[in-house]
Parts: sequence; structure tokens; C-alpha cells
Amino acid sequence: DAGVIQSPRHEVTEMGQEVTLRCKPISGHNSLFWYRQTMMRGLELLIYFNNNVPIDDSGMPEDRFSAKMPNASFSTLKIQPSEPRDSAVYFCASTTGGHYEQYFGPGTRLTVT
Amino acid sequence: GQQVMQIPQYQHVQEGEDFTTYCNSSTTLSNIQWYKQRPGGHPVFLIQLVKSGEVKKQKRLTFQFGEAKKNSSLHITATQTTDVGTYFCAGQGSNKLVFGAGTILRVKS
Repeated sequence: DAGVIQSPRHEVTEMGQEVTLRCKPISGHNSLFWYRQTMMRGLELLIYFNNNVPIDDSGMPEDRFSAKMPNASFSTLKIQPSEPRDSAVYFCASTTGGHYEQYFGPGTRLTVT
Repeated sequence: GQQVMQIPQYQHVQEGEDFTTYCNSSTTLSNIQWYKQRPGGHPVFLIQLVKSGEVKKQKRLTFQFGEAKKNSSLHITATQTTDVGTYFCAGQGSNKLVFGAGTILRVKS
């Protein structure tokens, strides 16, 4: 099993640019989570999907952030326009159900200058 | 909303010493999970506790879930340099998993 796959692994962009992060969950997992990790705020849940449907997006910081899951094997997190304070590591995780262990991807390190 | 507090924030121990991190939830949990994140890595699942008062062991690691299902602890006996990293607890509430801030463990050899 390849595990959760995220791309890109590193992204450096300028303020105001659009950023798209991608995630492929483990095959057969029906729940997908997007987290953001910073030194100041720790690991924050941004949004999670169950069977491709967004269930809780209360952690999405503001309208500049959007997430989609068009099918069971792919999800995107988009930031438009990006700002320096969005710099963080963004993790995607998947699981077979909401109450089970989560498998994290390697993360995308985003730097906005 | 549900909050999960974890202490200490940081601990630096001599190799061979014991280490404990504590986790407290503002609400009763259905289960609690523990994860380890190595420096530069991603969180990796260690264990899940479900029952009130449950105790589980993994080699030198001992995990406990409180009787009221609102607190938990992770104890490492005789730390080794391979134990370095951040240990997170994550409490499962009614509909989502809430992570604690984590405890950073550093081990001096």
C-alpha cells in the first residue's frame, strides 16, 4: 500500500498567488482530513470529508481557503490569494471511519513570501 | 467546543530516564488516540484506548485512559534516543478527533 500521497512536498510562492495542494487517500478509506501545522497553533483540523461530502469545515480559516473532493481517490485544498501567514505544513489524512486511526500523508510545506 | 489540553509542552530528559505526558479533555471522550511525530515527519498512529480505565502497553510505552474517559497519559520507561519527537493525544468526541498541542521530547545521550 502506497499510503496517503500528497503533492507537492514543498511549495514556495509569492503573496497573492493561488496555491493548490493535492491529496490521494489510501484506497478504501472513506474519510479524509486536511490539517495545518504551525509552531504557534499546533495541528489544526481545517476540514474533513466523509464519502466525498464535506462534513465539518469550521476549521477553514477564511474564504480564501476552499477544499474539494470530486471522487474517493482525490482531494484538493486551494488558497486564493495566498498570504505569508498561510505558511505552514499542510497534512492530509485518511481513515476507514471517523472513529478509527488516521493515516497521515508526508505533508506539503508551504512558504508564502 | 471540545478542547484537549496536553502537558508538558516540552521535556528534555537524560537517556535512560522515564518520561510522561498527560492529556485532559473538557468533555467525555468515546476514545483517545496517541500519535508520534518524528522531527520533520508526519504524525504516526501509536494506539487507541476505548474503555474506561484501560491500560495498554507497547514495549517501553504504557498508555492509560482515565476512569471518567476525560484524561489519558503516555509513559515511556527508560527513554532512548529513538524516542525523540512530538507525542500527540487526540480525543474523539461526538463527531471529530481533536488533537492536543503535543509534548516535544528530547533525549540527551
